[in-house]
Amino acid sequence: EPEVTQTPSHQVTQMGQEVILRCVPISNHLYFYWYRQILGQKVEFLVSFYNNEISEKSEIFDDQFSVERPDGSNFTLKIRSTKLEDSAMYFCASRPAQGGYGYTFGSGTRLTVV
Amino acid sequence: SQQGEEDPQALSIQEGENATMNCSYKTSINNLQWYRQNSGRGLVHLILIRSNEREKHSGRLRVTLDTSKKSSSLLITASRAADTASYFCAVLNFGNEKLTFGTGTRLTIIP
Repeated sequence: EPEVTQTPSHQVTQMGQEVILRCVPISNHLYFYWYRQILGQKVEFLVSFYNNEISEKSEIFDDQFSVERPDGSNFTLKIRSTKLEDSAMYFCASRPAQGGYGYTFGSGTRLTVV
Repeated sequence: SQQGEEDPQALSIQEGENATMNCSYKTSINNLQWYRQNSGRGLVHLILIRSNEREKHSGRLRVTLDTSKKSSSLLITASRAADTASYFCAVLNFGNEKLTFGTGTRLTIIP
């Protein structure tokens, strides 16, 4: 069964450093997403991406965050200057163009900011 | 406003019994989805029910949706130890792409 692949699975970074989280969505999917889950809390929407641009973003997704689809397969989330409160699991997801399908999530990147 | 609140927060049952989890939401929705998350792992899509559907089945899963009460339930029949996980409902509103997740139900199946 097709999968959404995320790398790395774990990342530890110093506060203030930039991190790039990588995702390879399912190849024929057209909608891409980033979500995060702070330990013990809800899964929160960050951003959706369609047709090479952001289609929607949450209040969490401020100027420190950016997304990019640099080629036909990768979808990245960059955090420019990490803060302690950015520590969380970050999930990438994708879905097909047709409605009525659930999202396929990757297994996540655990980001720890120290 | 908050969307997708599940209850109970935690549920422990014997293997073989049925497990029922409930979800309530506040606004009109396009569809409602249920996901499973094993500890420390990703979210696995289980089933999607559209706003014009009332019931849906998939294997041992049965989902109901009552839009008048803004609630949904997930029933897992004949539970197995491997069903131990957290279960989340998530709602998709019309006109946007943002899935809003609930707080989840932690299900433990006792062998």
